[in-house]
Formats: sequence, C-alpha cells, structure tokens
Amino acid sequence: QKEVEQDPGPLSVPEGAIVSLNCTYSNSAFQYFMWYRQYSRKGPELLMYTYSSGNKEDGRFTAQVDKSSKYISLFIRDSQPSDSATYLCAIINAGGTSYGKLTFGQGTILTVHP
Amino acid sequence: NAGVTQTPKFQVLKTGQSMTLQCAQDMNHEYMSWYRQDPGMGLRLIHYSVGAGITDQGEVPNGYNVSRSTTEDFPLRLLSAAPSQTSVYFCASRAGTSGRAVKNEQFFGPGTRLTVL
Repeated sequence: QKEVEQDPGPLSVPEGAIVSLNCTYSNSAFQYFMWYRQYSRKGPELLMYTYSSGNKEDGRFTAQVDKSSKYISLFIRDSQPSDSATYLCAIINAGGTSYGKLTFGQGTILTVHP
Repeated sequence: NAGVTQTPKFQVLKTGQSMTLQCAQDMNHEYMSWYRQDPGMGLRLIHYSVGAGITDQGEVPNGYNVSRSTTEDFPLRLLSAAPSQTSVYFCASRAGTSGRAVKNEQFFGPGTRLTVL
C-alpha cells in the first residue's frame, strides 16, 4: 500500500463547478501538507501549503487537512478552464527514520470545460 | 533568480546510448533530487543529494548515476539507455530536510522529455 493515495481521476467538470480533490495517507508522522499544480508539459508548482488540521483559503482555493482521519482535500470554487491541470498532493514526514522525506500522491488530471 | 533549470528539454536516444541530463539551481539549496514521471505512476524518486559530495538512492535508481560536486549542479547520467527509461525527468531542489528547513517547499525544473528507441 502506498503511503499517500490520491484519487486518480481523471475529473472533467463544467466551468463554474466546485471541484474536490482528495488524498489519504497512512503515516501519522506526516506533518506538512502541500498541493502542487502541474500544467501540461511543465514542472509542478506549489499551489497551497498548510501545516495543521483545518482549512486554509487562498482565493478560489481551499486546502483542508483532517489529521485524525489522515485525509487532505483541495477544493476549487468557480472552476475555470485555466484550472485544467494535474494536481498532486505532497506530504512531508516530520518523524522517525524518514524525517524530511517528501511523498507525492499519483496526481489527478482535472479538465474544466467552458 | 532562474530557479531550477534543466537541459535539454527534449532528447531522443537509441538503446544502449549514454547521456547526461543537466540540472542547476541558483537558490543555494542543500537538497536536490531527480524524479521520473510516467502516466499513472506519479513522481518517482530516482536519486537525491543532501549536499555537495553526498548522494543516495531513491525508489527507482537502477540504470542511473548521479554526482554532486557543487551545491548548484546535480547531473543525472543514463549509463546505457533502455526503452523503459522513456519518461519525463524532473529535477527539484529544496532548502534542506532537517531542522527548520524540513518545512520548506520543493521547487521543480521544467523537465526533460526523454525517448529511448
């Protein structure tokens, strides 16, 4: 079983829809949670970063972390065609022998149709 | 800052050929790493380095070598290319992996698309 599991998608939604992207993880030492966005033929870029349980909002994007359930989500409100990309969750291990290790989910391909 | 740069952007090799993928960063980051990205497989770590002169294997190291003679550069060598190494390769850097730096984000280069025939 992978340490980080991400819903593979792909997701296809109409413009204006609310999008929910999700990852689960198994290691309780995972402490720092990130979402990267990767446009086609580009490298991943950091989109959201949160350290703690709860919600963090940035414009149309909300990152949610539930450490008790080991579940993280990224919500996109009023989705736009420009949001079409691959979204990768990434988690940093802050304990044990893998301290500092960064683990990625498999990525979800999102397409937003005009 | 240019961030993380990679060359070449595209490369086609024949089976058995060798080549070096170049990676450089100008952020004075201690930690650098190489990933390959294949459809449905996500990003898989090939090799990484926690500082000049120190390298270690990731989850898919076979067929690749790395060295880190300077903080800025981290080249990836394919010793004898195989069709299974057809992939997109990303270099990444991060300030560090210990102490306060453990929380720092990782920056990626634009990638190298490699095809092995």
